[in-house]
Parts: sequence; C-alpha cells; structure tokens
Amino acid sequence: DSGVTQTPKHLITATGQRVTLRCSPRSGDLSVYWYQQSLDQGLQFLIQYYNGEERAKGNILERFSAQQFPDLHSELNLSSLELGDSALYFCASSVEGEETQYFGPGTRLLVL
Amino acid sequence: GIQVEQSPPDLILQEGANSTLRCNFSDSVNNLQWFHQNPWGQLINLFYIPSGTKQNGRLSATTVATERYSLLYISSSQTTDSGVYFCAVETSYDKVIFGPGTSLSVIP
Repeated sequence: DSGVTQTPKHLITATGQRVTLRCSPRSGDLSVYWYQQSLDQGLQFLIQYYNGEERAKGNILERFSAQQFPDLHSELNLSSLELGDSALYFCASSVEGEETQYFGPGTRLLVL
Repeated sequence: GIQVEQSPPDLILQEGANSTLRCNFSDSVNNLQWFHQNPWGQLINLFYIPSGTKQNGRLSATTVATERYSLLYISSSQTTDSGVYFCAVETSYDKVIFGPGTSLSVIP
C-alpha cells in the first residue's frame, strides 16, 4: 500500500458528461501528480501541483482541470467527455517535486 | 519534441537470469525516472536518475546523459519482477514524456 488513495476505483459514464476524480496524497507529501494511461497514447503526464499551486503542466486537455486543496487532496475534473477519454487515471505524490513518487491504485474511467 | 525509445519491447526470462533494459532519448534531459507497472496495474517509481548510477537491491540503473541513454539492470530475476518497465524523461519544454515500455515476463 503506497499510502496514496484514489476514488472512485471505477467509473462508467456517457459521452458529454463531467466527472471528478479524487486523490489523497501520503501524509506529509506536498506534491501531487496526475497521469493518464490509455491503450492509444500510453502513459502521459497531465499536471503537477505543489502545496496548492500548479507547478508543471503536461498533455492536459482544455476540457480537463485540476486543483489541490488546502488539505492537500487533489481533484481532477474531466468535462465534455469523449470515448477517447476512457483510460486509467493515476495520481502520485511526493514530498518535494523531484523525489520518489508514490502512486495510487488508479481510477479506471470508461466513457460509453 | 523529444523522442523516447525503449528496448527490447518484450522480454521473457527464466527465473534467476539477469537482464538489461535500455532507454534512449533524443535530446538533453533534466531528469529521468524508471517505473515498474506490475501485472495488476500498480505503478512503482524505481529510480530518479538524471545521471550516474544508483542501486536498490537487485535493481540498478545508470544514466549517461551526454550519450542520451539510461540502462536498468535486473539481476537474479524473480517472477515478481514481471510487468512493464517505463522510463520517463523531463526536459525544460516537454515536461514529462514516457517511453513505450518494456514488457518483462519472468517464468519459473
């Protein structure tokens, strides 16, 4: 158990809908990362937050947004969902931005 | 943008054998990481290694940044080493880019 929790584990929704994925980092970790893993695109880095502020941005679509709250948990919001958004979404946390990242179990999203 | 390649794409090993996985990248990088994804999907960060050599038990990694490659060594492989190994590089402009992975199967 990495200490990083993600909810929900699975999510099935329809095209055009909006969903929110939640991540709770390990106790004491200030950085949160979001990744997407799909069959088409492989693993992609989406975005990183550090202590509530956006630190780095990757291949995150404009339909997606994220935030990190004062209690350090993070949410990834996916809107106007398309079939191609079906993927496994991982969250990871680390103490600082450049050390070992600890991954959650992922949220599997299926868009029908 | 930067290109990241991994070789071999697939590898089957007998338990106890050693192996070397390679990650090549096409431009200078600020950071490089190795990850392992087990057959159940769990991702584990193995090494954060922008340059030099690091060891952790039966695993070690070497990055030669000037020659744009990194190697992951697995010694005395075990069935629990099975899964997919990814390298990921970070540049000033591309942020984090993952390679396609090497799928490793260790058979008893």
